[in-house]
Amino acid sequence: ETGVTQSPTHLIKTRGQQVTLRCSSQSGHNTVSWYQQALGQGPQFIFQYYREEENGRGNFPPRFSGLQFPNYSSELNVNALELDDSALYLCASQKSSYNEQFFGPGTRLTVL
Amino acid sequence: GENVEQHPSTLSVQEGDSAVIKCTYSDSASNYFPWYKQELGKRPQLIIDIRSNVGEKKDQRIAVTLNKTAKHFSLHITETQPEDSAVYFCAASRGSGTYKYIFGTGTRLKVLA
Repeated sequence: ETGVTQSPTHLIKTRGQQVTLRCSSQSGHNTVSWYQQALGQGPQFIFQYYREEENGRGNFPPRFSGLQFPNYSSELNVNALELDDSALYLCASQKSSYNEQFFGPGTRLTVL
Repeated sequence: GENVEQHPSTLSVQEGDSAVIKCTYSDSASNYFPWYKQELGKRPQLIIDIRSNVGEKKDQRIAVTLNKTAKHFSLHITETQPEDSAVYFCAASRGSGTYKYIFGTGTRLKVLA
């Protein structure tokens, strides 16, 4: 198992609500990426944070936002939830100069 | 745009046989190619990776080959076992700047005992 943890494990929300997902990176890792994995699909890159700054963003609308804290943990916030936001949300941490990303167990979000 | 195609989407093999999964990437600046195994309800686990300065890498029963000219890389699993059954994802990354991974759509491998 990696040292990356995520909370909560599962979450059920209704359309229009807002949600915050949390990720603790592995010790020594200063870069966190967030991915959305819909059922039966590969993970899709949402954005990445390096030393508390956004360091690249995928094709997701602005209602997907994030933060990284001084201890390199991170949050993913999604506003105005839509049914299609139902997915497994994965975070992955890495050392900035190394390629390998280590994934957390994910948060399964269901939007009703 | 950046894209990784992965084939086949499902693969069934008899225990002991070999399995091959193929990926093609579009971004010629990609230089790092990891493979992940994801069991049902679990996180993706890195099983092997290859960098663009290497054509082949092997780790016990698992090997990966890379053809940069064709922008093509493959995962080879030999002597398959039932515990190899899972979904396998390939990914491509530039390895600098934004270290984002572009994932393939996955291959569901079933090893039949």
